[in-house]
Amino acid sequence: QSALTQPASVSGSPGQSITISCTGTSSDVGAYNFVSWYQQNPGKAPRLMIFGVTNRSSGVPDRFSGSKSGNTASLTISGLQAADEADYYCSSYTSSITLVVFGGGTKLTVL
Amino acid sequence: EVQLVQSGAEVKKPGESLKISCKGSGYSFTSYRIGWVRQMPGKGLEWMAIIYPGDSDTRYSPPFQGQVIISADKSISTAYLHWSSLKASDTAMYYCTRVGFGQQPDSWGQGTLVTVSS
Repeated sequence: QSALTQPASVSGSPGQSITISCTGTSSDVGAYNFVSWYQQNPGKAPRLMIFGVTNRSSGVPDRFSGSKSGNTASLTISGLQAADEADYYCSSYTSSITLVVFGGGTKLTVL
Repeated sequence: EVQLVQSGAEVKKPGESLKISCKGSGYSFTSYRIGWVRQMPGKGLEWMAIIYPGDSDTRYSPPFQGQVIISADKSISTAYLHWSSLKASDTAMYYCTRVGFGQQPDSWGQGTLVTVSS
């Protein structure tokens, strides 16, 4: 199955808000409320940030929030901090045999 | 605390075989699927395959079908990713992940770097 579509890069200044989109199909994002977001810092394993579209994982600041409309899920980071600079990936449950599909990843730069 | 601990980095030659491991602890190993994810240098995450240790049900993403074999030994709470004949293009970081709520990865191993070079 094709990967979910994310913008390659987004940027924002400290204190601002940014949104990363994740577009899938009616077989994955659009069909199920099982979308997750991961943060990956250089040389590190991914870290679960958001699960079930809107739920923050333990220890994740409430500056991070998730939403979904139709076939597109979104991750919003408000009050941007330098420490938020990282790669972000979305994933979704899919009706295909493999059960999971990832987005291509988005590099967040804090200016 | 859920932990997935992977085996160490490997350097292999093309054509060699390799099996890397992922040991789970802090949860019921047979109650959650384990997935394997490839990340090639400078690239994104790719979902490779998934196994349910409870009954060894396995599923492969089409690009990886026939290229790797995944397995699990529930007696020692360990999952494996196996290559019978490595290629240079297999050079990558490989992560195992526990698949939890909504069949989504939740906990991740630290990664195993596999380098294939003549």
